[in-house]
Amino acid sequence: GNSVTQMEGPVTLSEEAFLTINCTYTATGYPSLFWYVQYPGEGLQLLLKATKADDKGSNKGFEATYRKETTSFHLEKGSVQVSDSAVYFCALSDRGYSTLTFGKGTMLLVSP
Amino acid sequence: DAGVIQSPRHEVTEMGQEVTLRCKPISGHNSLFWYRQTMMRGLELLIYFNNNVPIDDSGMPEDRFSAKMPNASFSTLKIQPSEPRDSAVYFCASSQSKAGFVNEQFFGPGTRLTVL
Repeated sequence: GNSVTQMEGPVTLSEEAFLTINCTYTATGYPSLFWYVQYPGEGLQLLLKATKADDKGSNKGFEATYRKETTSFHLEKGSVQVSDSAVYFCALSDRGYSTLTFGKGTMLLVSP
Repeated sequence: DAGVIQSPRHEVTEMGQEVTLRCKPISGHNSLFWYRQTMMRGLELLIYFNNNVPIDDSGMPEDRFSAKMPNASFSTLKIQPSEPRDSAVYFCASSQSKAGFVNEQFFGPGTRLTVL
């Protein structure tokens, strides 16, 4: 079956620090990969996605590269802001299927 | 577009009562998902509909939970009778699903349910 493993949080950083949140996956097919973000009191929002190997998804300064050889999709940002404090979810979707498999989420706390 | 709409945003009820959560998906989307989020279990898919038909309800925890989608613009998740362990945030999401295409899901703001 499909599964997604994320690093446990919380991740605590100072403003302008470099961020990495690790995500690895197992999938029976050739999945599409996603990062969703959940701000306090809100639903999940799509942050970025990648649909094939070596694709790089990017949005709002965040990036993640689809690495098929290591089955990974790590999230990075060069300089975090206090407003980036949220819970980040890695997810995958098998091609042609509607359902997403989510990781457990990683809380990011950024202090001024 | 208004996005996915859920109501109520907060619900507090007593054990044994019936609870009904409501969802209006984004117009034109053909897939709808109900999730439950708790600290202990994270985000769990309860049930998903495609073209108003339930496709996978294997995540529904027990017979006390039921979901319906009578038309393309409305769905309900009902818990009867409710129990304290049902306390969670329930999310509805919708997507436009086509075979072979990336299926981005759009989430509603959630309903926070507290069962006393």
